[in-house]
Amino acid sequence: AQSVTQLGSHVSVSEGALVLLRCNYSSSVPPYLFWYVQYPNQGLQLLLKYTSAATLVKGINGFEAEFKKSETSFHLTKPSAHMSDAAEYFCAVRANFGNEKLTFGTGTRLTIIP
Amino acid sequence: DAGVIQSPRHEVTEMGQEVTLRCKPISGHDYLFWYRQTMMRGLELLIYFNNNVPIDDSGMPEDRFSAKMPNASFSTLKIQPSEPRDSAVYFCASSLARTGLNYGYTFGSGTRLTVV
Repeated sequence: AQSVTQLGSHVSVSEGALVLLRCNYSSSVPPYLFWYVQYPNQGLQLLLKYTSAATLVKGINGFEAEFKKSETSFHLTKPSAHMSDAAEYFCAVRANFGNEKLTFGTGTRLTIIP
Repeated sequence: DAGVIQSPRHEVTEMGQEVTLRCKPISGHDYLFWYRQTMMRGLELLIYFNNNVPIDDSGMPEDRFSAKMPNASFSTLKIQPSEPRDSAVYFCASSLARTGLNYGYTFGSGTRLTVV
């Protein structure tokens, strides 16, 4: 079975500072990994995905994530935070074959300090 | 495409009443998922369908919950009878096998259910 752990339910950063949201995965098979963003009163929107191609993945809104097998991590980063980045972020994992089921982490709420 | 469409956006009902949530997936998508989101439990997968057939309903909390997908363009999640602990945001999502892993799921805007 696959699972993800997001470290830190709340993260605050100053506008213009580095954003780092942590995600560690557990998977018995090579995983596919995803980051989603949820703005207030909206559904989840895909930010980026890792599907066993390049380990450094670039997504929308300037976000990127790096797959590190040795650390079982898939942390999300953005060099310079913007006020519009305030939202909740979810890491998710699925098996890379035979199963479309996504398992989500508990989420990290990102607050941007002006 | 209008995306995944869920209705209603908000539902307030009294305990014991039947509640039906509706979802229209993206045309051509062959997977449909129902998730529930609460503060306490986060995002939980309730059930998912492939080509209108239920594949995994192990997340359905109890017999009060049922889901159907009579055709490729419509699914319902029914709670009968409803209880206050069912209060949550219910999301529907769809994806297309083969490309689903590339584009991820597409989520609807959710239905916020309040049972009083």
